[in-house]
Amino acid sequence: QVQLVQSGAEVKKPGASVRVSCKASGYSFTSYVITWVRQAAGQGLEWVGWMNPDSGNTAYAQSFQGRVTMTRDISISTAYMELSSLTSEDTAVYFCARGLYDSSAYYYWGQGTLLTVAS
Amino acid sequence: QSVLTQPPSASGTPGQRVTISCSGSSSNIGSTYVYWYQQLPGTAPKLLIYRNNQRPSGVPDRFSGSKSGTSASLAISGLRSEDEAHYYCAAWDDGLSGPGLYVFGTGTKVTVL
Repeated sequence: QVQLVQSGAEVKKPGASVRVSCKASGYSFTSYVITWVRQAAGQGLEWVGWMNPDSGNTAYAQSFQGRVTMTRDISISTAYMELSSLTSEDTAVYFCARGLYDSSAYYYWGQGTLLTVAS
Repeated sequence: QSVLTQPPSASGTPGQRVTISCSGSSSNIGSTYVYWYQQLPGTAPKLLIYRNNQRPSGVPDRFSGSKSGTSASLAISGLRSEDEAHYYCAAWDDGLSGPGLYVFGTGTKVTVL
């Protein structure tokens, strides 16, 4: 069965960077786009961007441009999201997701990774 | 500030029908598909509706989606206690936020009275 398993919670200081991983299993990793979504405590969902694991092509939300980088390691079916210049406003749960019926219908989700940015 | 506006809350008694609206514009709902997600506390979102009105396998037919112009709606009929959750609409937006931005609605908390 399809699974997306994310790395564990992170605590970072303001100005630091973080890399969150999303390990895929149960399907051909290069066949589906991986999307990242975040959610601050008590807040709504915010789309961060997507990466095509086959080509490595990416697209990021404008609000994250210059701070986010999405990469992948095909050999271990893992996608990564790196976010730099962290501020307290980046404190949130970060989810990776994959579409099923179309690339925008996020059917499979990782369990989420809590990032806490605090001094 | 999301470009897709939902009512913050909705409620109903078991068995009732609840409808959640999602208001957008010509740069998002008016020109693309709408998706709906359900999120229970402490869990990842779950896809409820894709391409305006299609239900994924396993989603009860109590959930239905529709779209008209620049607005969309999610209806829950035969409301059940397990439907108490947050619901989010979503769509692609090609407006001022830049091309190809996937936006989520502001979210609606459904309470089963």
